[in-house]
Amino acid sequence: RKEVEQDPGPFNVPEGATVAFNCTYSNSASQSFFWYRQDCRKEPKLLMSVYSSGNEDGRFTAQLNRASQYISLLIRDSKLSDSATYLCVVTKNTGNQFYFGTGTSLTVIP
Amino acid sequence: GAVVSQHPSWVICKSGTSVKIECRSLDFQATTMFWYRQFPKQSLMLMATSNEGSKATYEQGVEKDKFLINHASLTLSTLTVTSAHPEDSSFYICSARRGTRPYEQYFGPGTRLTVT
Repeated sequence: RKEVEQDPGPFNVPEGATVAFNCTYSNSASQSFFWYRQDCRKEPKLLMSVYSSGNEDGRFTAQLNRASQYISLLIRDSKLSDSATYLCVVTKNTGNQFYFGTGTSLTVIP
Repeated sequence: GAVVSQHPSWVICKSGTSVKIECRSLDFQATTMFWYRQFPKQSLMLMATSNEGSKATYEQGVEKDKFLINHASLTLSTLTVTSAHPEDSSFYICSARRGTRPYEQYFGPGTRLTVT
């Protein structure tokens, strides 16, 4: 079973739409959780950390449910520039090795 | 900000040859660096954890004799793909950890390897 599972999409949404991505992880001992964004042929860049209490950064809201081993990302008022692949990441152990999901592709359409 | 560079950014080599990829943290010291591989339309797969001054820790299924990792200084880790084959063609990305917090991991721009 994969460490992290995501729906690969693609998600094609119009500008201004709200879109949600989900991610599940298999190891209950996972310690830290993140959403990264990766543009085509580029390195991933940190979008936001994810906490059980939920956190919001502008149009982006992330949520963690430890009981269900589930992470979500909500994007409101989608912009064309949001088009990218969104990667769910979990870490485990003190080594902080990152385990990436397969990524969810988002295309925002004018 | 924290900057991580990789060299080369892309390389084409013949089957059977070895290729070395460098990962450098330019403005911070990194006791730990990580190497990932990404095949087309797939996610990043952690290959190994590189620790300065000690042996690398490889993920299950990654051949340590094929992917040689050296972390000789606090700012440089190298990955050598030995006896490369076409199936080794991939996007190799390194990251360097600054500090102790998990989110303080910064990625290099990646190296695209094509083995012919």
